[in-house]
Amino acid sequence: AQSVSQHNHHVILSEAASLELGCNYSYGGTVNLFWYVQYPGQHLQLLLKYFSGDPLVKGIKGFEAEFIKSKFSFNLRKPSVQWSDTAEYFCAVNTNAGKSTFGDGTTLTVKP
Amino acid sequence: EAGVAQSPRYKIIEKRQSVAFWCNPISGHATLYWYQQILGQGPKLLIQFQNNGVVDDSQLPKDRFSAERLKGVDSTLKIQPAKLEDSAVYLCASSLVGLQSSYNEQFFGPGTRLTVL
Repeated sequence: AQSVSQHNHHVILSEAASLELGCNYSYGGTVNLFWYVQYPGQHLQLLLKYFSGDPLVKGIKGFEAEFIKSKFSFNLRKPSVQWSDTAEYFCAVNTNAGKSTFGDGTTLTVKP
Repeated sequence: EAGVAQSPRYKIIEKRQSVAFWCNPISGHATLYWYQQILGQGPKLLIQFQNNGVVDDSQLPKDRFSAERLKGVDSTLKIQPAKLEDSAVYLCASSLVGLQSSYNEQFFGPGTRLTVL
């Protein structure tokens, strides 16, 4: 069965600091990878996704993620965070059968 | 474009009572998902529909949970009887094309927060 691990449960940064959130998955077949974000009081929404091609994908609000197949990882990065990036971030994996698995999320708090 | 609608937003019940949640997906979205999100955890897929057929219900506790998507549009999720451990947020999501649903972004509703006392 597939699983997704997000190693950081809570990250606290100051504005302008760089961000990297880890995501590792376990599944032997082809996967599609997603990062979703939930801002306070809002719905879960897509941040970025990877299907194929360039392993470095760019999403909204300056976020990017790199797929490293050999490490089964899809880490999320942002060079300079803002207070408005305070949110919960979820990594998700879809198999070709369409089955979705989410990680337990990382809460990011950005101090102004 | 209207988003995924869910109701009610909050529900408090006693254990052993029954409860039902309703979801209306984005128009034209063939695939509908129900997730359970317990505090501190990520969403866990309970059931996935493509149109009005079930694609995956392997993690649905079928002794107490049931779901249907009549006519392939809106859906209801029912718990009967509820247990304390069912306290969670129940999320509904929808996405486009079912057969290639692994490629598709899921659009989430606001969720229903269930408290079982």
